[in-house]
Amino acid sequence: KAGVTQTPRYLIKTRGQQVTLSCSPISGHRSVSWYQQTPGQGLQFLFEYFSETQRNKGNFPGRFSGRQFSNSRSEMNVSTLELGDSALYLCASSSPPRQGDGYTFGSGTRLTVV
Amino acid sequence: GDSVTQMEGPVTLSEEAFLTINCTYTATGYPSLFWYVQYPGEGLQLLLKATKADDKGSNKGFEATYRKETTSFHLEKGSVQVSDSAVYFCALSGVVSGATNKLIFGTGTLLAVQP
Repeated sequence: KAGVTQTPRYLIKTRGQQVTLSCSPISGHRSVSWYQQTPGQGLQFLFEYFSETQRNKGNFPGRFSGRQFSNSRSEMNVSTLELGDSALYLCASSSPPRQGDGYTFGSGTRLTVV
Repeated sequence: GDSVTQMEGPVTLSEEAFLTINCTYTATGYPSLFWYVQYPGEGLQLLLKATKADDKGSNKGFEATYRKETTSFHLEKGSVQVSDSAVYFCALSGVVSGATNKLIFGTGTLLAVQP
């Protein structure tokens, strides 16, 4: 079956702009989470969605937001981009959101802010 | 709060050498433990997992045992190959404010296997 699909793979934006990243989970998976990966901070949890509801949120400013649609696809948005937002953004899905299931990750979107 | 500590890399080994990457954790309750692997330019792949004390996760020759008494989940492989070169992340998943499946990662360990 198809894996987790993230689009686009690469993105270059200018400071102050906003960006929307998309994630399509594995068919049947209803839980989607987002992570930011940077060399300095490592992998950090952004937020988790299940059945269109945000269940958990990491320690990121309000410029980072997300949503989940009825078909479980998810988007995250970053407004007023800063240079420090340059990172690999990873989406992961699981079903159901049980503790021991772990996640299946997508290949990520590489965002560069210039 | 919950946290994961893993040995710093890089770890450089010759092909067929024995591998150990140490991982210890701090958590309330009974977390699930995972090892993920990341190859260059790719996302994370689940390597193995364990959901309760004394469970042993295994996959592709890699093993790790959930040790509650030492709060550890060390990754081992008896004979590494060049193709095992990647970054390895230890992670835990627990219940936070009623929401499950939030993963907390270690800093990652780069493994380089030389032929």
